[in-house]
Amino acid sequence: QKEVEQNSGPLSVPEGAIASLNCTYSDRGSQSFFWYRQYSGKSPELIMSIYSNGDKEDGRFTAQLNKASQYVSLLIRDSQPSDSATYLCAVNKEDMRFGAGTRLTVKP
Amino acid sequence: GAGVSQSPSNKVTEKGKDVELRCDPISGHTALYWYRQSLGQGLEFLIYFQGNSAPDKSGLPSDRFSAERTGGSVSTLTIQRTQQEDSAVYLCASSTHRNQPQHFGDGTRLSIL
Repeated sequence: QKEVEQNSGPLSVPEGAIASLNCTYSDRGSQSFFWYRQYSGKSPELIMSIYSNGDKEDGRFTAQLNKASQYVSLLIRDSQPSDSATYLCAVNKEDMRFGAGTRLTVKP
Repeated sequence: GAGVSQSPSNKVTEKGKDVELRCDPISGHTALYWYRQSLGQGLEFLIYFQGNSAPDKSGLPSDRFSAERTGGSVSTLTIQRTQQEDSAVYLCASSTHRNQPQHFGDGTRLSIL
């Protein structure tokens, strides 16, 4: 079992829809969780951090964490073509572990 | 403020040559990481530096790879006797501490002919 698992996609949603990106992790002791966005040919960019169970909202982005289920997700509301990118989930206990990423395409 | 700076942005070299990649982390960040990313793939952890502690080299793929960090700031990743499979983007990241979010540089795109 991979330490951090993501559906590789591609995930395709129409413009204006909600995009839902999911991530599961294996280490129950993990303490901090991050979402990175990586545009093609660019480096990863931190977009969300979440440390406690529940939801955290930042603009059109909402991160959701459920430690009991070892599950973290990212919702993107009112998806825009500019949101098209690969989204990396990262989970930290003593080390940061990255998922392989989910490729999202938002179609106009 | 300034972000993580990497140089060169692109490097093309012949198989068998040695290459040096440089990373200048964000000022005040004590943790520094090197990753490798092949086309269409995820991040492959290479090495981690924390302050003056011994580095975590567990991700280095072979003894042709080495890295150092001078004065707790700038780091150099060296690949000796390069092979075609070394072709990838090499990313450097830094953070204030190991469990804090990492901030990435723009990477060095390495091509081995």
